[in-house]
Amino acid sequence: AQSVTQLDSHVSVSEGTPVLLRCNYSSSYSPSLFWYVQHPNKGLQLLLKYTSAATLVKGINGFEAEFKKSETSFHLTKPSAHMSDAAEYFCVVSDRRGSGGSYIPTFGRGTSLIVHP
Amino acid sequence: GAGVSQSPRYKVTKRGQDVALRCDPISGHVSLYWYRQALGQGPEFLTYFNYEAQQDKSGLPNDRFSAERPEGSISTLTIQRTEQRDSAMYRCASTPRGAITDTQYFGPGTRLTVL
Repeated sequence: AQSVTQLDSHVSVSEGTPVLLRCNYSSSYSPSLFWYVQHPNKGLQLLLKYTSAATLVKGINGFEAEFKKSETSFHLTKPSAHMSDAAEYFCVVSDRRGSGGSYIPTFGRGTSLIVHP
Repeated sequence: GAGVSQSPRYKVTKRGQDVALRCDPISGHVSLYWYRQALGQGPEFLTYFNYEAQQDKSGLPNDRFSAERPEGSISTLTIQRTEQRDSAMYRCASTPRGAITDTQYFGPGTRLTVL
């Protein structure tokens, strides 16, 4: 069975300082991993994804994440936070479930990023 | 091009009424997913389709919930005899190829409130 744990429900940083949003997962197969962002009153938008190519993945708006199989982690980072980064961030694992092989994404509960001026 | 659209955006209904939520995916997208999102939580999988075939409905909470995608495009999620616990944001997403690596393109959601 697959699962996702986002270790922090809220992360608070000052503008210009680094961002770290932590995600651990469990999966029975070779998963694909994603980070989605949800700004207030907006829909979810893909930030980046890992699909078994390079383990360091670069996304939009300066975000990147590193897939570490030995640690079952896929933490999201950004060197310098901007006010516009304030949003809800979701880590997602997707792999095959059951003998039927359905691709079912499992979302973490989300991390709210707060950016102080 | 046009993104994923959902209607209505807001629905208020009384307990015991049936509701139908509509999702119009990106044209040509193979897969369509339905999720339910409670406040402060991530989206929870309900069901999904490849073309018109329902591939997995393991996330539907009970038999009051059903979904269809008869022509492989627009999908409807129906909740019969609504209960207050059904109140949530219902989101749909479409993906281009039905592959595990696909990006999900989300609609704006339908906020359902059951009084």
